[in-house]
Amino acid sequence: GDSVTQMEGPVTLSEEAFLTINCTYTATGYPSLFWYVQYPGEGLQLLLKATKADDKGSNKGFEATYRKETTSFHLEKGSVQVSDSAVYFCALQGGSEKLVFGKGTKLTVNP
Amino acid sequence: DAGITQSPRHKVTETGTPVTLRCHQTENHRYMYWYRQDPGHGLRLIHYSYGVKDTDKGEVSDGYSVSRSKTEDFLLTLESATSSQTSVYFCAISESGRGTGKRGETQYFGPGTRLLVL
Repeated sequence: GDSVTQMEGPVTLSEEAFLTINCTYTATGYPSLFWYVQYPGEGLQLLLKATKADDKGSNKGFEATYRKETTSFHLEKGSVQVSDSAVYFCALQGGSEKLVFGKGTKLTVNP
Repeated sequence: DAGITQSPRHKVTETGTPVTLRCHQTENHRYMYWYRQDPGHGLRLIHYSYGVKDTDKGEVSDGYSVSRSKTEDFLLTLESATSSQTSVYFCAISESGRGTGKRGETQYFGPGTRLLVL
């Protein structure tokens, strides 16, 4: 079945550091790919998404490119801020309406 | 923000008691979902609904039932709560889902219900 593997955390960075959170997937067909973010004490919210190969999703300085050849959707940000501290989830949507989530990566950014 | 509320937000109950969690939406979205979030597991789908009285099982449905009698409400019931059901429960909604030709449909999440079963 469909699955998502993302790098285990926690990840701790200093403010203005470069961020990469790796995400790879296994799916049949051509899934849509997502990054969701969960701030402390809140529900998940969509950060960005891509629906076909080579698409780049971007939002709030975060980017991820849908790489079909490597089945990856790595999340990047050039300069993180303290306010980016959160848990980040990679997810895919295959042939149905269901989302399959990775286990989440907790990011802490220190001033 | 999508209009999704969950109630209660926090609940402590004892093993063997029934528990019902409510999700209410004001967006008139067709699809509604219940997930549980546990450390080391991410989010796992319990049940979902694709319309009034239309529901289906997710990945971890054992011990849970759902009902949807109105578009805006989706109830999750633990018939006899167990300690393994201690978790944070999230409701989500999406506009259209499968069969509409829309790829990458966004799901919008509620604030969560923290359930402790003693």
